[in-house]
Amino acid sequence: GQNIDQPTEMTATEGAIVQINCTYQTSGFNGLFWYQQHAGEAPTFLSYNVLDGLEEKGRFSSFLSRSKGYSYLLLKELQMKDSASYLCASLGGYNKLIFGAGTRLAVHP
Amino acid sequence: DGGITQSPKYLFRKEGQNVTLSCEQNLNHDAMYWYRQDPGQGLRLIYYSQIVNDFQKGDIAEGYSVSREKKESFPLTVTSAQKNPTAFYLCASSNRERTSGSYEQYFGPGTRLTVT
Repeated sequence: GQNIDQPTEMTATEGAIVQINCTYQTSGFNGLFWYQQHAGEAPTFLSYNVLDGLEEKGRFSSFLSRSKGYSYLLLKELQMKDSASYLCASLGGYNKLIFGAGTRLAVHP
Repeated sequence: DGGITQSPKYLFRKEGQNVTLSCEQNLNHDAMYWYRQDPGQGLRLIYYSQIVNDFQKGDIAEGYSVSREKKESFPLTVTSAQKNPTAFYLCASSNRERTSGSYEQYFGPGTRLTVT
């Protein structure tokens, strides 16, 4: 079967660092995406990992371990505007994305 | 500007009526997708199309139909057979990025459908 797990909710303080974990079990794995989605809006692309290791892009970094079926999104220097849902998605055959339920992050002052 | 448009943003229908949601892209992408999102849940794939005049069912295709007569357009019809049609519907498109090999999907702004 295909399954993606990530925590439902997380809270963090402005200026802090938060790590959102994602584990996946999917067939025909072609990479792992992270998207950010503010309430009522469309998801926006954050990162794509296909090889093991850490990809850094400004305040956001994403890590992938293919052997462990594990990824995380690291957000540094948190800002209030980072309050959103973060969606982990595995890319399978035919460019099909399998999404997790999303992690709702609340950033407090 | 290149992008994906969906209209309308909010749509209200009576139970038993078919309704068609539009999705247009000018990104020259080959592949297009329709997702459904329910409160507190992730996106679920309804239908997808890799090329014009071809499309495949996703995980929750029952009660929906699509067409792909033009590369730019991928309309979704929610039929009266769909038992719980009220949801947020998102359209996306993608192409392989030659430089990075990424299959990033670009999303439209979504249509929130309410059926009463």
